Amino acid sequence: EVQLVESGGGLVQPGRSLRLSCTTSGFTFGDYAVNWVRQAPGQGLEWVGFIRYKGYGGTTEYAASVEGRFTISRDDSKGIADLQMNSLKTEDTAVYYCGRARNYGHIGLIDYWGQGTLVTVSS
Amino acid sequence: EIVLTQSPDTLSLSPGERATLSCRASQTVASNCLAWFQQKPGQAPRLLIYGASNRATDIPDRFSGSASGTDFTLTISRLEPEDFAVYYCQQYSKSPGTFGQGTKVEIK
Repeated sequence: EVQLVESGGGLVQPGRSLRLSCTTSGFTFGDYAVNWVRQAPGQGLEWVGFIRYKGYGGTTEYAASVEGRFTISRDDSKGIADLQMNSLKTEDTAVYYCGRARNYGHIGLIDYWGQGTLVTVSS
Repeated sequence: EIVLTQSPDTLSLSPGERATLSCRASQTVASNCLAWFQQKPGQAPRLLIYGASNRATDIPDRFSGSASGTDFTLTISRLEPEDFAVYYCQQYSKSPGTFGQGTKVEIK
């Protein structure tokens, strides 16, 4: 069974950092890209960024709203993808989802999602 | 950036009725790299349709997708009680991978 579990969310002050992890099982992690998507309270879905699988260079791309502050990395040996979030702003408050992405299109097609982890940025 | 505009914002229908949801892209979506997701309260999104018209694994055949140029449509032929939810389209052909704002299908 394909599973993705996000962890690391919580309450953090503006300007501080937080690191989220996406722990996976049930599939060969190294064969897939990983996307991160967030959802502010009561709002729609916002794409955050993605990391390609190593066969495509393992490179990353980000939404303009997080470029330069957020970094996605992956450890294929552990089946984990991380989202390092620096210089957090109140508008980063959201549930953060990771998604397994098939290598279709440019950023990949998300076919499985984690259950999400809530990040609250507030003083 | 490809902007996706969904309509209507809310669709009020009864079980058994047909639902037609629209997603219009601001520019061509290469290779019809357009997906539809369903989201219920407190849950993660679930993939319904990819490549504009391909049903994902275990998705009932009452869900169908179509494309015409930059216009994409999700059709639910006969609404079941479990289909009342919010639906999002997303393009994955270019970065950023933009989502539509969502259409809420509610019980009339």
